Amino acid sequence: GQQVMQIPQYQHVQEGEDFTTYCNSSTTLSNIQWYKQRPGGHPVFLIQLVKSGEVKKQKRLTFQFGEAKKNSSLHITATQTTDVGTYFCADPTGGGADGLTFGKGTHLIIQP
Amino acid sequence: DTAVSQTPKYLVTQMGNDKSIKCEQNLGHDTMYWYKQDSKKFLKIMFSYNNKELIINETVPNRFSPKSPDKAHLNLHINSLELGDSAVYFCASSGGDRDTEAFFGQGTRLTVV
Repeated sequence: GQQVMQIPQYQHVQEGEDFTTYCNSSTTLSNIQWYKQRPGGHPVFLIQLVKSGEVKKQKRLTFQFGEAKKNSSLHITATQTTDVGTYFCADPTGGGADGLTFGKGTHLIIQP
Repeated sequence: DTAVSQTPKYLVTQMGNDKSIKCEQNLGHDTMYWYKQDSKKFLKIMFSYNNKELIINETVPNRFSPKSPDKAHLNLHINSLELGDSAVYFCASSGGDRDTEAFFGQGTRLTVV
């Protein structure tokens, strides 16, 4: 089935450094969603990108959707300890059971 | 009020047993899902259920069966549990369109011993 590749799998940063995670698809996506899962928690929806080249910001988080709608990124500026967790991109339309197809996630580890 | 709630939060059981996990959503959503998250945190769709239509991911063993007594509930039954079934299972719901966000329950950590 369709897959969404996400890198890196792990990212260690010092508090205050920036962080970026990338998702790539071999096929054109109609849209893409991003979720955050805190340690021991559940995935929480962050945002959905729909338009080619779209850029959306949420405070220190910047989300981008590629022009070809085959890739997306999440960038966090000046990370804080509250940013710790796993960030997932997800394709809402490629699921084998009509659900979300998740990337494998990027685990963000922040060292104070 | 919790939007999507599932019970139990933890479940430890022996191989071969049958168990159920309950899920309820109070969001009025049309579609509910079950996802499995393995030890590497990979999240994979197992089922979606919308208006009595069940869509099953072909990789899910038939020992797993969802049951929906009504629109607000989608329970997961697992027969003849195996060690490999150990994982965190998440229930979720969405408004039904593929483009809407999903709301996840707190998860059930299943450990098969």
